[in-house]
Amino acid sequence: EAQVTQNPRYLITVTGKKLTVTCSQNMNHEYMSWYRQDPGLGLRQIYYSMNVEVTDKGDVPEGYKVSRKEKRNFPLILESPSPNQTSLYFCASSTRGTQYFGPGTRLTVL
Amino acid sequence: DQQVKQNSPSLSVQEGRISILNCDYTNSMFDYFLWYKKYPAEGPTFLISISSIKDKNEDGRFTVFLNKSAKHLSLHIVPSQPGDSAVYFCAASAREIQGAQKLVFGQGTRLTINP
Repeated sequence: EAQVTQNPRYLITVTGKKLTVTCSQNMNHEYMSWYRQDPGLGLRQIYYSMNVEVTDKGDVPEGYKVSRKEKRNFPLILESPSPNQTSLYFCASSTRGTQYFGPGTRLTVL
Repeated sequence: DQQVKQNSPSLSVQEGRISILNCDYTNSMFDYFLWYKKYPAEGPTFLISISSIKDKNEDGRFTVFLNKSAKHLSLHIVPSQPGDSAVYFCAASAREIQGAQKLVFGQGTRLTINP
């Protein structure tokens, strides 16, 4: 089954404790992206990757890092999480403009 | 600066009637528009799209209309069914300039279909 998977689905952490949210797709898509969803703001792009070893900032990249060492995986790294990064995060992959989203990771930073 | 706006946070429609969701955009470089549907605890799923060279695209019960001069698009669902209850996001991209992958989303509209 073609899908985008994210782990964990739910995470509660404390300020400053480094964390990684994994994202994996099995569709051989070149393009992957991370979004955050906040009330009243819709989905905002954090980072995207056009292919292996090619990443670029989206609209809200501050406080986040990504890497794309292999085509199927695109982890999101929060080196020092802060409460304003409490949000619902979505990973997506695509080849021709239609993005396919993972199920989401709800992150709470205390 | 919100380049894609969905001004109605919520919409309630009777089952069997037409649902009309609206979206406005400000960037005249946008040339490709999409609608996504989102259920609770799931990621958004692609619903329908339209290129700026068209003014209408239809797929079953779903039709998207694009008015470029007004920078406005709408999604029509006819007839509305209880399973259509979800949050709907409008999205846009400037494919010629930034590529198809750079999507800008609206805030979303929560559609509720009442029996």
